[in-house]
Order: sequence, then structure tokens, then C-alpha cells
Amino acid sequence: EAEVAQSPRYKITEKSQAVAFWCDPISGHATLYWYRQILGQGPELLVQFQDESVVDDSQLPKDRFSAERLKGVDSTLKIQPAELGDSAMYLCASSPGTGPYEQYFGPGTRLTVT
Amino acid sequence: GQQVMQIPQYQHVQEGEDFTTYCNSSTTLSNIQWYKQRPGGHPVFLIQLVKSGEVKKQKRLTFQFGEAKKNSSLHITATQTTDVGTYFCAGKGGKLIFGQGTELSVKP
Repeated sequence: EAEVAQSPRYKITEKSQAVAFWCDPISGHATLYWYRQILGQGPELLVQFQDESVVDDSQLPKDRFSAERLKGVDSTLKIQPAELGDSAMYLCASSPGTGPYEQYFGPGTRLTVT
Repeated sequence: GQQVMQIPQYQHVQEGEDFTTYCNSSTTLSNIQWYKQRPGGHPVFLIQLVKSGEVKKQKRLTFQFGEAKKNSSLHITATQTTDVGTYFCAGKGGKLIFGQGTELSVKP
């Protein structure tokens, strides 16, 4: 069964450093999502792509976060500089489109900022 | 803006007891999805409800969508230890908003 791939699975970084996460969605899925999940809370959407275009980045802290999906396939989420409050699970999900489709989540990247 | 609230936050049950989690939206939803996240895992899609008053069943799980399409519930009959995890509703108004989840623990 096809899965969403994410790397790394775990990342420890010092505050003020740069960090990047990678996501490879299920083949053929046009829509890709990046979520942040703080322990004990539900996933919060950071950015949504339709192919290579950003559909929604209203909750993305643009002063330090950036995301790209240059060829409309895999995607990278970057944080620079990292802050202590960025410690969380970063989840990538994909779906066939923007309609009422289920989202398939990857295993996530657990970020710890020290 | 759109908000999705879920209660309770935690539920501890004895194996064999029933469990219900409730989801309420501040706005009318076009559809609602339910996900399960096992401890240490990622959210996994369970079901989607689209129609007003819709009821769907998956074995021991029953999902309902309110008549006004602003609330939903998930009921598990006779819980088992395999039901352990956090159950999230996600309501789609303009975009998909996740509730904060209900963490279910089951004591054997």
C-alpha cells in the first residue's frame, strides 16, 4: 500500500539554527499538506499545496517558516531560525485533490529545539 | 474564524464499556472526517460524513452527523484494548479544521 514518506523522523536542533523537513506524498496525489501537532492537540494546518501552488498558508509563520513544492511532487518545510516554541510533531499529508477526500498522513518528524 | 471543539479531552474506560466523543463546530460544515491516532503514530482516516443526519457504522463504531451539520459524534460499543488512541474529528467549512481530540484509554 502506498504511503507518505517523511524524513527525518526525529530532529534535535539548537534554537536559532535552521532545520528542514522533507515529504514525499503518495504518487499521483495533487494536494499536499504540512501540519504542526503539539502534544495533546490536534494537527494545525501550516500550508496546503495544490500541485506546485500554495493554496493556503494563512497559519504559516512566514517570518521564519517557508515551504516549497517546486515540481509539484515532493516538498520541503524549512524553519530558520528555530525557536523553543517550534518543538512539535510536523506531519505531512496528501490527498488526490482538494475535494472531500481523505488525507493520508506520513509518520511525521518529531522536532525538539533546545 | 471556524472552530472545532471536541469533548471530552480524555476518557478512561474498562474494557467492554462503551465510549462516545462529541464534536461541535462554530460554523456549518460541508463534511466531517474522523481520524484515529495510536500512541506514537500518525492520524489514520476512519470515515467521512457528508449528509445532514447521516449515520455510518464500522463494526463496533457508529458515526453520526448532526441535522444542522454543525456537530458529530463517534460511539464505540464494547471497547477493546485495540481501541486505545486519540480520536480526532476534522470539520470542513472553508478548510479542514481538526478538533483537539479525545484520548481513549482502555483498562483490560
